[in-house]
Amino acid sequence: SQTIHQWPATLVQPVGSPLSLECTVEGTSNPNLYWYRQAAGRGLQLLFYSVGIGQISSEVPQNLSASRPQDRQFILSSKKLLLSDSGFYLCAWKLPGSGNSPLHFGNGTRLTVT
Amino acid sequence: AQKITQTQPGMFVQEKEAVTLDCTYDTSDQSYGLFWYKQPSSGEMIFLIYQGSYDEQNATEGRYSLNFQKARKSANLVISASQLGDSAMYFCAMRGLNTGNQFYFGTGTSLTVIP
Repeated sequence: SQTIHQWPATLVQPVGSPLSLECTVEGTSNPNLYWYRQAAGRGLQLLFYSVGIGQISSEVPQNLSASRPQDRQFILSSKKLLLSDSGFYLCAWKLPGSGNSPLHFGNGTRLTVT
Repeated sequence: AQKITQTQPGMFVQEKEAVTLDCTYDTSDQSYGLFWYKQPSSGEMIFLIYQGSYDEQNATEGRYSLNFQKARKSANLVISASQLGDSAMYFCAMRGLNTGNQFYFGTGTSLTVIP
């Protein structure tokens, strides 16, 4: 069966520090991968998605970036965090090409920028 | 552009009663999928139910059913026989099947089940 791992679960970082959140998927090949952010009490904002190694689509221009160095690894990064980057970050995967395949989410990372 | 609207920020329901959570959508795609997710206070997102735009029958999964009205562009989630464990945030989401791999989410409805 497929599983998704996302870490760390919580993170407190000062303004201006770098960020690296990692997500890996097991049990499937060539998944579509996603990063979402959820501000407190708000909906999910799509940040990045990827349909293959090295292929990244950005939905919202900001100081975050994403990379997919391996088929089942998705990394969210920032060189300098802003206070507004605080939130709950969720990684997700779905089967490629399948119209009715839902997103499967990791447990999320709660980021607080101080 | 895709847009999901959930107009009920908070809902209350008595235990064992049914509740309907509203979702309307806007899309230019002819073919699309609609999804509902549950987010407990722990933060995980749990997939509940899927409805395809060309499905003639309303989707059902256990106590969850989807009241799909294509002409009105609505996809309301019905939870029957509410349980205390149903208290959570509920999100409606859509994916246009011809225009990309993006899923778009509504702002969610907070459901509280009262004993």
